[in-house]
Amino acid sequence: GAGVSQSPSNKVTEKGKDVELRCDPISGHTALYWYRQSLGQGLEFLIYFQGNSAPDKSGLPSDRFSAERTGGSVSTLTIQRTQQEDSAVYLCASSYRVGEQFFGPGTRLTVL
Amino acid sequence: ELKVEQNPLFLSMQEEKNYTIYCNYSTTSDRLYWYRQDPGKSLESLFVLLSNGAVKQEGRLMASLDTKARLSTLHITAAVHDLSATYFCAVTGADGLTFGKGTHLIIQP
Repeated sequence: GAGVSQSPSNKVTEKGKDVELRCDPISGHTALYWYRQSLGQGLEFLIYFQGNSAPDKSGLPSDRFSAERTGGSVSTLTIQRTQQEDSAVYLCASSYRVGEQFFGPGTRLTVL
Repeated sequence: ELKVEQNPLFLSMQEEKNYTIYCNYSTTSDRLYWYRQDPGKSLESLFVLLSNGAVKQEGRLMASLDTKARLSTLHITAAVHDLSATYFCAVTGADGLTFGKGTHLIIQP
C-alpha cells in the first residue's frame, strides 16, 4: 500500500528565500510528525499534529518555522528567510493516533 | 523531559561476531521502538516493544525491553555486512517519539 510521501525530494535554495515542504501521510493516520536530521545526527522533533491541530509546537527552532495541516491529511512545513543552518533532511512520519510511526523518504534541503 | 541515550554511538565489528546496542531512557514509557536507517534513506521500523520482558527477533537481530531498568537492548548475532546501518531507538512520550542519537554500525567482511 501507499506509504508516507514527501515532496520535493531535494530542494536547493538561496539564503533568505522561503521554502515549503510537503508531506502526504498514510491514509487514515491521524497523527503527523515533522523531524529534522542534520548530517550524521539523530532526529530532532519539530512539531506534531493530531488531526489538524498541533498540540506541541515546542520543537520548532525559531519563528521562521511554521507548519499547517488541512483536512486531517496533507501537511506543509514552511521555512521563511532560510539560513544555512537550516540545511538538513526534513522527515515526516505518520501514525494511527500515538502509535508506531511510519516515515517518509525525507526532503533534503540545502541552503546556499 | 524524556531523554533517550544509546551506546555505543559508533561500532565497527567483523562479520560473524555478536554485539549488543543499549538504549536507556529516563522516564516511564509504555512502548519502545527500534528503527534502521541506511545512508541517504529514511527510517525503517524494526521492532515495537510493548511490555516488560518483551523480546522480538527478526533474523540476526533480537530486541528486548526491561521497563523496570528503563533499558532496551538490540542484539546482533553472527553479524553480516548487510546489517551495516544506523540503528535508532525511540521511546513514546507525551506527544510522540523521542529518539536516541543513533548507533552507526559498520560490519566489515
